Amino acid sequence: AQTVTQSQPEMSVQEAETVTLSCTYDTSESDYYLFWYKQPPSRQMILVIRQEAYKQQNATENRFSVNFQKAAKSFSLKISDSQLGDAAMYFCAYRSPGGTSYGKLTFGQGTILTVHP
Amino acid sequence: GAGVSQSPSNKVTEKGKDVELRCDPISGHTALYWYRQSLGQGLEFLIYFQGNSAPDKSGLPSDRFSAERTGGSVSTLTIQRTQQEDSAVYLCASSLGVRGNTEAFFGQGTRLTVV
Repeated sequence: AQTVTQSQPEMSVQEAETVTLSCTYDTSESDYYLFWYKQPPSRQMILVIRQEAYKQQNATENRFSVNFQKAAKSFSLKISDSQLGDAAMYFCAYRSPGGTSYGKLTFGQGTILTVHP
Repeated sequence: GAGVSQSPSNKVTEKGKDVELRCDPISGHTALYWYRQSLGQGLEFLIYFQGNSAPDKSGLPSDRFSAERTGGSVSTLTIQRTQQEDSAVYLCASSLGVRGNTEAFFGQGTRLTVV
C-alpha cells in the first residue's frame, strides 16, 4: 500500500516571501500521480497542482511550483510571493495509475500554513 | 449545481442514534468517493462508487457504516448507532472517471459531532 508523509505539521511565511512544504511518499509503482490540495477554513478541498510521475519536468501553476524527485520519492510544493489568501491547510496526495485502485487518493496528514502580513 | 453539494453542513447527534449524510455530485460524474477527516488528520478513504455500484468498500471502518448511490447520482452515507469516535468531517468527491490525472472535485463536507 502507498503511504504519504508530510513532516511539517505547521509552517509560517511572511507575505510576499517564499515557502516550501515537504512531502514524501512510499510506493512500489513506477507510474502514478501526485497532487497538492488546499483546504481553507471553508473545508472545501481545492486542487492546487498535479504532477504525473512519468514527466520529468516539474509542474508549475502561477505562483505554485513543485520539486519532484522521483528517485527520492519527494514532492515538495513551493509557494512564491505568498499572499494572505494562501493561508490554509495543504495536503499532499498520491493516486495510482488510471483505473487501478479505482482512482482513490491517499493523503498525507496535512501542513497548516500561516501567512503573516 | 455547479459543484459537489453535501448536506447537512453540520450535524450534532446523540450517541447511539443513526445519521444520514448526503452527497450530490457534479452532473455527469460517474465516480464518487467518500472520505473521513478526523480532527487535525488527513483524509481517510471510505468507499468508492462507479455508477450505482461500489467496487471498493475497503475503507468502511465497521459494519455500522454503509453507503448507497441511486440513479448514478446522489449518494447517502449512513452511520448506525453512532459512537463518539465517529465525530469527524465527512467529505464527498466526484470525478469524470478514474484515470490517474483526473481531477477530483470535493464538497464542503459534513461536520458530524456525536455527543
